[in-house]
Amino acid sequence: LAKTTQPISMDSYEGQEVNITCSHNNIATNDYITWYQQFPSQGPRFIIQGYKTKVTNEVASLFIPADRKSSTLSLPRVSLSDTAVYYCLVGILTGGGNKLTFGTGTQLKVEL
Amino acid sequence: DGGITQSPKYLFRKEGQNVTLSCEQNLNHDAMYWYRQDPGQGLRLIYYSQIVNDFQKGDIAEGYSVSREKKESFPLTVTSAQKNPTAFYLCASSSRKDRVNSPLHFGNGTRLTVT
Repeated sequence: LAKTTQPISMDSYEGQEVNITCSHNNIATNDYITWYQQFPSQGPRFIIQGYKTKVTNEVASLFIPADRKSSTLSLPRVSLSDTAVYYCLVGILTGGGNKLTFGTGTQLKVEL
Repeated sequence: DGGITQSPKYLFRKEGQNVTLSCEQNLNHDAMYWYRQDPGQGLRLIYYSQIVNDFQKGDIAEGYSVSREKKESFPLTVTSAQKNPTAFYLCASSSRKDRVNSPLHFGNGTRLTVT
């Protein structure tokens, strides 16, 4: 399983764009990159998933360079409610289930 | 609404007692998982099941047991052999389509305190 490295914490202000970068140097050919968000005392919630280049949905964008050794989650115009822990995971999506490893994540704090 | 229900939200037990945490899903997902989270830590996989009547150990299975008799249910028993059972326990599920697994859907967890 590919190991990921993320910043432990980040601070931002409402209305700003936040970019959280995840390093995964030993990502395998069949690995996908998935980001989850977790609020205190709740289960993680899926945000976005991608394999290469750029993926965008209604809440975030995911940028993956050609070598796939890192990825960046971009949250446009954050609000106080985006204060949460963000996890980057890499792993295969086929075969024997999602045996994914969660790291310690990035604690994002958004202030007024 | 479809989702995963974990009960109870808070659970208190005395040391030496076994305790079973409930996880039910109505998403028609084939795979189910149990994770443990300690304060300030990420999630660690305890057990997972890809299909009814089959399950595999995760990274920290010692002191835990599971069963998967029904597709909808994946109860976790924390036995007295688990040395540090106090933690936040999360259940998740995922589906498979064309051999590709969907992202994990999580319940809202059970916080177990053992004294």
